[in-house]
Amino acid sequence: EVQLVESGGGLVQPGGSLRLSCAASGFTFSNSWMSWVRQAPGKGLEWVANIKQDGSEKNYVGSVKGRFTISKDNAKNSLYLQMNSLRGEDTAVYYCARDRWGFSGSYYYYGMDVWGQGTTVTVSS
Amino acid sequence: QSVLTQPPSASGTPGQRVTISCSGSSSNIGSNTVNWYQQLPETAPKLLIYSNNQRPSGVPDRFSGSKSGSSASLAISGLQSEDEAYYYCATWDDSLNARVFGGGTKLTVL
Repeated sequence: EVQLVESGGGLVQPGGSLRLSCAASGFTFSNSWMSWVRQAPGKGLEWVANIKQDGSEKNYVGSVKGRFTISKDNAKNSLYLQMNSLRGEDTAVYYCARDRWGFSGSYYYYGMDVWGQGTTVTVSS
Repeated sequence: QSVLTQPPSASGTPGQRVTISCSGSSSNIGSNTVNWYQQLPETAPKLLIYSNNQRPSGVPDRFSGSKSGSSASLAISGLQSEDEAYYYCATWDDSLNARVFGGGTKLTVL
């Protein structure tokens, strides 16, 4: 079964740090782009970051640049999000998702087709 | 304020057809393909449409997507009560070098 399971969420004070993990199973993780997406309470979805199959390319939303770092360990089938200098506006449910690409003569972006159940991060004093 | 603009709400009665719009710009929808996601209450999002108008396996053909210029839309025909959910459009933005979502549309089945 294709599955993503996040962990590491919790309550942290403003300015603090937290590391989220996402364990992948049922597919070839080393061949997959991966993303983190978050959803603040009562709000919509916000893409946070993504990372290329081998970790050689990473992209971030502007509001987390310099504070968050995405990484993946293909040997452990795991995705991570290191979050530093946390702010109240980072409070959200954080989802990891597989960024799937297809090929039909050329590569095309398929979408985020596998999602975890989410882990909750609360930044508050 | 989201980069992609969606109406905050939409509604319809069972059996009706509803459409949800998604407006962007030349740096996002105008130059990249669009995805649509469905999020049922208290659940993770689900991929509904890829490449503007393609359905992943298992998605009913009641759901269809289209794109024209810098706008896209999602149509749901034969509306059912289980379609009541939030719907989000998404694409890549070349200027921001980031994936962007619309603000989401809450669909109510009356």
